[in-house]
Amino acid sequence: AQKITQTQPGMFVQEKEAVTLDCTYDTSDQSYGLFWYKQPSSGEMIFLIYQGSYDEQNATEGRYSLNFQKARKSANLVISASQLGDSAMYFCAMRDGNTPLVFGKGTRLSVIA
Amino acid sequence: EPEVTQTPSHQVTQMGQEVILRCVPISNHLYFYWYRQILGQKVEFLVSFYNNEISEKSEIFDDQFSVERPDGSNFTLKIRSTKLEDSAMYFCASSEARSSETQYFGPGTRLLVL
Repeated sequence: AQKITQTQPGMFVQEKEAVTLDCTYDTSDQSYGLFWYKQPSSGEMIFLIYQGSYDEQNATEGRYSLNFQKARKSANLVISASQLGDSAMYFCAMRDGNTPLVFGKGTRLSVIA
Repeated sequence: EPEVTQTPSHQVTQMGQEVILRCVPISNHLYFYWYRQILGQKVEFLVSFYNNEISEKSEIFDDQFSVERPDGSNFTLKIRSTKLEDSAMYFCASSEARSSETQYFGPGTRLLVL
């Protein structure tokens, strides 16, 4: 069974608008971490934001925020005020218990001027 | 800001040849990882390394692969006899601790096996 599901293969957003990238996860562990990474066309993996399973507040890092809904097992990434430079692949990932980091298939975001 | 570095950025090799991919993790990090990403696919875990030994490995990490920390800074991935299907982007990552800690990725080495 897939541990991380990203249902949107591609998304478009107008510059300066907000966009939500979906991620659902599957784990039976109580302690786990959720991560989002950005992969621009140049190929590197850039860490964006982290949410721990015990964190009561949603994580925020600048224009990125994580909409963490534990009961629904979702960890959606919200990018506010989109910029052209936000165009990239976005990967959701999870680490639980003793397992290594597991990635979703990614969402390709295209920001339109 | 400290970062993970990887060399080379690109490598082209003939099938059957050995390749060594090099990584310098962030200096105070204790856990090191290799991942690969076949073109257009998701990132897959290969191996994790702690205290000079492998702590976890995936089924992809077969006898053709090995890792080493030859000195206090470098962390290498060796593929003994490359196959066409080894063509991928290989990422090194490091983290301060293990459970739920953020892993910081290097820029990757794009390996092409001909």
